[in-house]
Amino acid sequence: GAGVSQSPSNKVTEKGKDVELRCDPISGHTALYWYRQSLGQGLEFLIYFQGNSAPDKSGLPSDRFSAERTGGSVSTLTIQRTQQEDSAVYLCASSPRNSGDRGRSPLHFGNGTRLTVT
Amino acid sequence: KNQVEQSPQSLIILEGKNCTLQCNYTVSPFSNLRWYKQDTGRGPVSLTIMTFSENTKSNGRYTATLDADTKQSSLHITASQLSDSASYICVVSVASGGSYIPTFGRGTSLIVHP
Repeated sequence: GAGVSQSPSNKVTEKGKDVELRCDPISGHTALYWYRQSLGQGLEFLIYFQGNSAPDKSGLPSDRFSAERTGGSVSTLTIQRTQQEDSAVYLCASSPRNSGDRGRSPLHFGNGTRLTVT
Repeated sequence: KNQVEQSPQSLIILEGKNCTLQCNYTVSPFSNLRWYKQDTGRGPVSLTIMTFSENTKSNGRYTATLDADTKQSSLHITASQLSDSASYICVVSVASGGSYIPTFGRGTSLIVHP
């Protein structure tokens, strides 16, 4: 079956504009994660969904960032009033489950959306 | 704050040689530790998982070790190939309010030269 799909693969936007990043997880995966990877840096946790609810939003860097998930499937990450420091690769991952197996299920990643804020 | 630290930051080796990558973590409570491989422009892919009770696990030419007492893990790559050139990331799952959040190290960038 298809893997995790993210769109767009690249996005260039002007400072101050809003952007929406989309993630289509693997069918049947209940857990979904968003990470941010800046150049030369590790993956920074943003938010985690179990089904449609987000038990952990602790990684969202500011109130300009929000995410939602509908139907237990597609998720969108929205960044309002983008700033240059938002430039990074935004990675989405899904997993069959989370707490039920003590987090042992591997994360399946998409190839990311490269966001450039000019 | 939970931390996962990896060394070296980067490594260059010749094809056919072996190498060992290190991961030290301070996260608690620990659930499991995974090593991921990330090719340029792609998302990370899981190589192996280590739980608290496991010391060594192999996956082809990759062998991971875990010392839960000293909170150290290593990834040994045997007979390296050009395709091994990638970033290798150590990920520790931390229990948090009933969920388990994977915490990523910054990775070791490995370059294999012919």
